[in-house]
Amino acid sequence: AQTVTQSQPEMSVQEAETVTLSCTYDTSESNYYLFWYKQPPSRQMILVIRQEAYKQQNATENRFSVNFQKAAKSFSLKISDSQLGDTAMYFCGYTGNQFYFGTGTSLTVIP
Amino acid sequence: NAGVTQTPKFRVLKTGQSMTLLCAQDMNHEYMYWYRQDPGMGLRLIHYSVGEGTTAKGEVPDGYNVSRLKKQNFLLGLESAAPSQTSVYFCASRQLVSGANVLTFGAGSRLTVL
Repeated sequence: AQTVTQSQPEMSVQEAETVTLSCTYDTSESNYYLFWYKQPPSRQMILVIRQEAYKQQNATENRFSVNFQKAAKSFSLKISDSQLGDTAMYFCGYTGNQFYFGTGTSLTVIP
Repeated sequence: NAGVTQTPKFRVLKTGQSMTLLCAQDMNHEYMYWYRQDPGMGLRLIHYSVGEGTTAKGEVPDGYNVSRLKKQNFLLGLESAAPSQTSVYFCASRQLVSGANVLTFGAGSRLTVL
């Protein structure tokens, strides 16, 4: 079965602090990419970061970075120096032949 | 650079009514998708298309029909709406970016079935 699990439905973080969102997945595919999408209150889905499964080096995009543990099938997202604009729903997932999404983590950045 | 455009953005229907959601993309993408988003359930694939004139079922296709008569348009139809179809619907198209498939989403359409 192809599944993506986000075990933290809701999280909060103080502005300027660091927060890590968890994600695990299960796939039998050998070639795939992992991703995190952000959905702010505007409802627009925005790609935050992606990672090739065959690469050991963790991807980074400015304040966003991932911790990819392939053997454990874990793909967590770290947000550094959290900003109010980071308040959003975050979806992790992976894509091989299709796209698979987790159920989301609602992140609130507290001023 | 419109990207992916969905219409309408909001709609209220009565049970049994029919409607069509329109998705248009101006990026010449082959693959297009329709998802529904419900609280606590993430995004679930309804139908998708791998090119003009083709459609395929996703995870939750029952109660929906789709058509892809033109490459740039992907229509999602509800023939007889039910309250269980109250949801936010997202259309997306797929492109290859540096060897990886990436989805570009529309802004979503909120549908309420009374």
